[in-house]
Amino acid sequence: GAGVSQSPSNKVTEKGKDVELRCDPISGHTALYWYRQSLGQGLEFLIYFQGNSAPDKSGLPSDRFSAERTGGSVSTLTIQRTQQEDSAVYLCASSPDRTGGDNEQFFGPGTRLTVL
Amino acid sequence: GENVEQHPSTLSVQEGDSAVIKCTYSDSASNYFPWYKQELGKRPQLIIDIRSNVGEKKDQRIAVTLNKTAKHFSLHITETQPEDSAVYFCAAISYWDSTLTFGKGTMLLVSP
Repeated sequence: GAGVSQSPSNKVTEKGKDVELRCDPISGHTALYWYRQSLGQGLEFLIYFQGNSAPDKSGLPSDRFSAERTGGSVSTLTIQRTQQEDSAVYLCASSPDRTGGDNEQFFGPGTRLTVL
Repeated sequence: GENVEQHPSTLSVQEGDSAVIKCTYSDSASNYFPWYKQELGKRPQLIIDIRSNVGEKKDQRIAVTLNKTAKHFSLHITETQPEDSAVYFCAAISYWDSTLTFGKGTMLLVSP
């Protein structure tokens, strides 16, 4: 079956512009996660969705970052007034069920964001 | 919250040698420990995981060990091959938490 997909695969934008990143999780997966990975760095947690609600937004680095999920499926991560330090690969992951917390997360291919 | 430390940051081995990557965690309530492999330019993929009711788990050339008392877990790769070259991430999560906490990763380089 189809895995997690993300679009666009690459995004180049100018400092100060807003960008929207999209994630399509695996069908039926109720949990969805956004991570940020800077060059050569680890996975930085941003936000977690269970269904349409976001019980954990603790990783969002500033109020320029927001995310939503509609219909328990597609999620969008929005970065307003982008800064050069926002340049990174943004990874989305989904898992079947949050219950117990010990579910494999399936990652999308990521969106490489470059802010000039 | 949980804090995961991973060592070493880079590891170079010759093909056929074994490789060991170690992680420690801080939250004694953590009970699930996955390992992800990320090849250059690709997405992370789960390679093996272990739960806190198990001390060791093996899958062909890969094994993971868990010491709950010391709060550390390790990934062991035997008979390494060049295609094992990648960045490996350990992670931990408590049953009551919503998110995995990842280590900073280990870049494994296997030379032919």
